[in-house]
Amino acid sequence: EVQLVESGGGLVKPGGSLRLSCAASGFTFSSYSMNWVRQAPGKGLEWVSSISSSSSYIYYADSVKGRFTISRDNAKNSLYLQMNSLRAEDTAVYYCARRGGTGTNAFDIWGQGTMVTVSS
Amino acid sequence: EIVLTQSPDFQSVTPKEKVTITCRASQSIGSSLHWYQQKPDQSPKLLIKYASQSFSGVPSRFSGSGSGTDFTLTINSLEAEDAATYYCHQSSSLPQTFGQGTKVEIK
Repeated sequence: EVQLVESGGGLVKPGGSLRLSCAASGFTFSSYSMNWVRQAPGKGLEWVSSISSSSSYIYYADSVKGRFTISRDNAKNSLYLQMNSLRAEDTAVYYCARRGGTGTNAFDIWGQGTMVTVSS
Repeated sequence: EIVLTQSPDFQSVTPKEKVTITCRASQSIGSSLHWYQQKPDQSPKLLIKYASQSFSGVPSRFSGSGSGTDFTLTINSLEAEDAATYYCHQSSSLPQTFGQGTKVEIK
């Protein structure tokens, strides 16, 4: 079964750090670009960051640029998001999402999400 | 940044009725527009990619159309299980953006 499972969320104080992980299974992880998308409580979806299959191309939303770092370990079938200098407005459910195969930019597989709460 | 504006924000619909949701882009995005369904307390699921291509396993009552700046998601003969929030998403240019969502409620 194709699956993405996020972990690492929790409660953190403003200015703190957190590292999210996304474990992939059921497909050849190293062949796919991956993304992080977040959803603040009661709000819509916001794209956060993307990374190409070989980590050659990395992009960030302006709202997280300079504070968040996306990375991946293809040997471990894992995607990461290092979040530093966290703010209250970073509070959200964070989803990892697979970009469909070559020529497909839709997000065809999503994890169940992990909640990040930034509060003092 | 490309802004996607969905309408309506909310729709209350009777089962078997037809539902139409529109997504308008602030500039032309070709056909790089995708639709997702998100049920309460679940992650989003891909319905339609590239404006009109149905994703594997999606019921045939879901269809998409449009190109350029105007797109439509249609649900023919709404079923109770279709109660959800629907989002459009553009991958034409960075940053990728989503519409604000359209909540569909079953009467």
